[in-house]
Amino acid sequence: QQPVQSPQAVILREGEDAVINCSSSKALYSVHWYRQKHGEAPVFLMILLKGGEQKGHDKISASFNEKKQQSSLYLTASQLSYSGTYFCGTVGAGSYQLTFGKGTKLSVIP
Amino acid sequence: EAGVAQSPRYKIIEKRQSVAFWCNPISGHATLYWYQQILGQGPKLLIQFQNNGVVDDSQLPKDRFSAERLKGVDSTLKIQPAKLEDSAVYLCASSLVLRDYEQYFGPGTRLTVT
Repeated sequence: QQPVQSPQAVILREGEDAVINCSSSKALYSVHWYRQKHGEAPVFLMILLKGGEQKGHDKISASFNEKKQQSSLYLTASQLSYSGTYFCGTVGAGSYQLTFGKGTKLSVIP
Repeated sequence: EAGVAQSPRYKIIEKRQSVAFWCNPISGHATLYWYQQILGQGPKLLIQFQNNGVVDDSQLPKDRFSAERLKGVDSTLKIQPAKLEDSAVYLCASSLVLRDYEQYFGPGTRLTVT
C-alpha cells in the first residue's frame, strides 16, 4: 500500500526550514528517503530502520516513529540545491518491496 | 565506480509494437530492480532480482511484460505488445544486498507509446 506524503508541494526561500511527512497504514520495517531532480534519477538520502532512531545527512535529517508508522524529513537552512521532488519509500514487515509515495515537490527560491 | 547503465535513453514506438530495455548494474551488486515511473508519480516496482532469481514480481503485468537477469548481472525488460498507458520512464536500480540498503538508480529509459 502506497505511503501518503504531505505536503504535495512547498516553496521556500533560501535559509528557511521545511518538514515533509510520510505515513503508512501498514506496519513498517523501514523508511527510505530519495530526492529526484527534474529529468534525473532518484538519489538516495537515507534509510531509517524500526527503532525510532533519527538520522542526519548534512542539514537534512529524518525521524521514524514505528508505532505511528510515520516518518518526517527535516530540511534546515535550505539551499537552492535542495530543490527537487522528495520521495519516501516504505518496506513493510516481512517484505522486500520498496513502495514509494507520490512525492513532495520542493522549490527553493533566492 | 561506474554507475548503473541503461539503454536506450529514449524510445518511441506505436501501440502493439514490442520494445526491450537493457540494464547493467553496478559491479558486485546482487540485487537488481526495474521500476516504472509515470509522470508526476513515484517509481513503482515492477520486478526485483536477487542474483538471477526473482524475489518479487507481484506488480509486473505478466501478460505483456517480461524480464530476465541471465548470469546474475545484466538484465532485460521487455514489453510486448505495448499499450498507450505504458508510456513512462523505466528505471533500473541496483543495491549491494537485498534489503535495507541504498539503491543506485540508472538514468532511465523514457518510453513514449503513440
